[in-house]
Amino acid sequence: EAGVTQFPSHSVIEKGQTVTLRCDPISGHDNLYWYRRVMGKEIKFLLHFVKESKQDESGMPNNRFLAERTGGTYSTLKVQPAELEDSGVYFCASSQPGSPDTQYFGPGTRLTVL
Amino acid sequence: GENVEQHPSTLSVQEGDSAVIKCTYSDSASNYFPWYKQELGKRPQLIIDIRSNVGEKKDQRIAVTLNKTAKHFSLHITETQPEDSAVYFCAASIRTDKLIFGTGTRLQVFP
Repeated sequence: EAGVTQFPSHSVIEKGQTVTLRCDPISGHDNLYWYRRVMGKEIKFLLHFVKESKQDESGMPNNRFLAERTGGTYSTLKVQPAELEDSGVYFCASSQPGSPDTQYFGPGTRLTVL
Repeated sequence: GENVEQHPSTLSVQEGDSAVIKCTYSDSASNYFPWYKQELGKRPQLIIDIRSNVGEKKDQRIAVTLNKTAKHFSLHITETQPEDSAVYFCAASIRTDKLIFGTGTRLQVFP
């Protein structure tokens, strides 16, 4: 079974630019989560999709971040415009409908904003 | 909201020794406690988890204990091996929609 995949693995952009991260969850996993780890700190929750619906987006830092999951399959997280403090590793995780808290993580996208 | 504290931040042990990582959580409504291992450059991998109706769970060389009264849970690794070297994260969940993580423990096992 293929795991959660994320693209790109690394992204380096300048302040003010736009970046879009993509996550493909494990097939059949209705739940999809985005998390972020800023260097040396904890992994922090950003938002949760159930299929195509946003279940909880309380962790989204501000309106420069936009997450979508059209069709309930893959998800994108867009940062526009990027700021220096957006640098970090963005993780995606997915889980089955019957075990939503047992989450499987992707390898992450390392975002560096210069 | 829920807060999870994790200690120590770094831990060095000799191969064959035991390692213990401790976490405390703030919200007594938390009912699910997973542990993730992240090797360098790899994804966080779920290695063991425990629910609030259980006090201890073992899987080969790793075990997790939960003290609901004190709001503590711990990861125990016995007979450590160099391949156990990684960053370990504890987490807690109240509902089913998000995990609250600790800040991680970097474990180094020296041969």
